[in-house]
This record gives sequence, C-alpha cells and structure tokens, in this order.
Amino acid sequence: GESVGLHLPTLSVQEGDNSIINCAYSNSASDYFIWYKQESGKGPQFIIDIRSNMDKRQGQRVTVLLNKTVKHLSLQIAATQPGDSAVYFCAENKGSNYKLTFGKGTLLTVNP
Amino acid sequence: NAGVTQTPKFQVLKTGQSMTLQCAQDMNHNSMYWYRQDPGMGLRLIYYSASEGTTDKGEVPNGYNVSRLNKREFSLRLESAAPSQTSVYFCASTPGVWGTDTQYFGPGTRLTVL
Repeated sequence: GESVGLHLPTLSVQEGDNSIINCAYSNSASDYFIWYKQESGKGPQFIIDIRSNMDKRQGQRVTVLLNKTVKHLSLQIAATQPGDSAVYFCAENKGSNYKLTFGKGTLLTVNP
Repeated sequence: NAGVTQTPKFQVLKTGQSMTLQCAQDMNHNSMYWYRQDPGMGLRLIYYSASEGTTDKGEVPNGYNVSRLNKREFSLRLESAAPSQTSVYFCASTPGVWGTDTQYFGPGTRLTVL
C-alpha cells in the first residue's frame, strides 16, 4: 500500500479560521517531507518542507509539525483565506535518492 | 525565469497513436522528472533523470520512453497510446542530483486517449 496517506480527503473551513491538514507516513527511513499546494488546473506548488531532525518549521502563515513517534505530519494554515482553497499534498523522500512518494491529497475549501 | 514549461497543454490521441510531451526548465537544475496524476491518486513517478545523460525508471514506466536531450530539456514519449494513459502529466526539476531538494513543477499536460 501507499506509504504516505491523508486522514481526510476534504476539509471545509470558514475564512479567517485556522486549518489543519494531516498526513501519515509508514516509512521510518523517510527523512524529508514536503507539503505542496495544487490549485485547479495547475501544477503542484511548494509550500514548506521539514527534515526529520526537526519537529516544527514555520513559514508565512503556515507551520509544519512532524511527529516521528507516530509517523505523522501536519500542515497548519493560519487565518485561512479563499485563495488557500486547493488540494494539499504531503510527500516524503527517503533521503538516499531523489524520488518523492506523494499522498492522494486533501481538498481544502474556504468559505467566505 | 519561466521555470518549468510544458508543451502541449492539452492533447487528444487515438489508441495506437504516438506523441512526445516536451519539458524544459531554465533554472539550471540537474535533475528532472515525469509524473502522471490520475483522479483520486497521488502523483506517480514515471521516469527521472538525475543528470544530463542519465535516465531511470520510476514507479510506472511501462508504455513510456524518455530522452534527456540536454540539461534543460526532458521529453516523454508514448509510442503507442492506450486509454489507460489518459492522465495529467507533470514535469518537475530539482537543483541537486541527490536527496532532498524542492521539486519545481510545470503546469501539466492533459492527455486524453480515445
């Protein structure tokens, strides 16, 4: 089966709320994780990444948390805006190569 | 910089026809990738090229061939298209040869095989 998966296929939030998108992975050898955003009709766009020697990393309005104990990754979006509506993918890299394994994605819908 | 560009954006083929999807990047990246994206599934790696002159199979290479023409260009060829190859195809590139680099994606080619 897939080594990277998502708990929820869809997430609907109100504008201004915080969003949390979750991702589980099964390969303990994975040491690099990425979140991508994909808007309708476009290619995936890099949001934020985190390496396995970190638990948390922050960007502009986004935070990624990594819990290696339970092999769980989350993306937090603060003050969600309509422009954040998209599919969000997590992906993992096992470090010894440059191939990514992608999850199926979560559709985030932001209601005005 | 245009980043990663792909042509064509849309294509309709009949079963058995051949075509080449073109990809180019102007970021001087070493590695390039071809993925396919099907509804309800994550991106799956078809082929990749770690550096100019090298190519390797990914997760789903059957029915495809690739050419790393130079450092900038990486093409994907369907020799005899099948309906199962209906998908959205993405090209990507990374700066480094190894490991943990951010992948930059093109806008995609939407292919339908009838």
